[in-house]
Amino acid sequence: GDSVTQMEGPVTLSEEAFLTINCTYTATGYPSLFWYVQYPGEGLQLLLKATKADDKGSNKGFEATYRKETTSFHLEKGSVQVSDSAVYFCALKQNSGYSTLTFGKGTMLLVSP
Amino acid sequence: DAMVIQNPRYQVTQFGKPVTLSCSQTLNHNVMYWYQQKSSQAPKLLFHYYDKDFNNEADTPDNFQSRRPNTSFCFLDIRSPGLGDAAMYLCATSNQGNQPQHFGDGTRLSIL
Repeated sequence: GDSVTQMEGPVTLSEEAFLTINCTYTATGYPSLFWYVQYPGEGLQLLLKATKADDKGSNKGFEATYRKETTSFHLEKGSVQVSDSAVYFCALKQNSGYSTLTFGKGTMLLVSP
Repeated sequence: DAMVIQNPRYQVTQFGKPVTLSCSQTLNHNVMYWYQQKSSQAPKLLFHYYDKDFNNEADTPDNFQSRRPNTSFCFLDIRSPGLGDAAMYLCATSNQGNQPQHFGDGTRLSIL
């Protein structure tokens, strides 16, 4: 079956540092890929998505590129802020009508001033 | 704004006392999902509705049931909550295919 593997956290950075959170997947066909963010005590928010190979999703300074050849969708941000501290989930969804999300285990990001 | 709304945000119930969590949406999505999320873990899918078609995950306990009376509303019923059912419960909606899921803010359930 489909699976998503994320780097384990917590990832601890100082403000304005460069962020990379690795995500790789195993899936048949050409799924869509997503990054969700969860702030403490809240639900998940869609951060960005990519629906086909070489697509780049971007939002709020975060970026991720759908790499079919390496089955990866790494999340990057050039300069993190304290307010970016949250848990980040990588996920995939097959493009068939009845598919559901397959999540990675999540990576906690802690940004200090 | 169109959104997914969960009520209440916090729910406390007693061991074995039935509890119902509610979810409503203004996105007019045809798929609605219920997830259970425990601390430091990814959300775990319990079941989902594709329109009125109910889809139960194989490992969802019988203690958990759901109702979707119309497109906008979906309920999670826990018939006899145990201590292990204390968790955050998340509702989400989407359209079919590769469309992303939109999540509510969740209901945090505590069991006394």
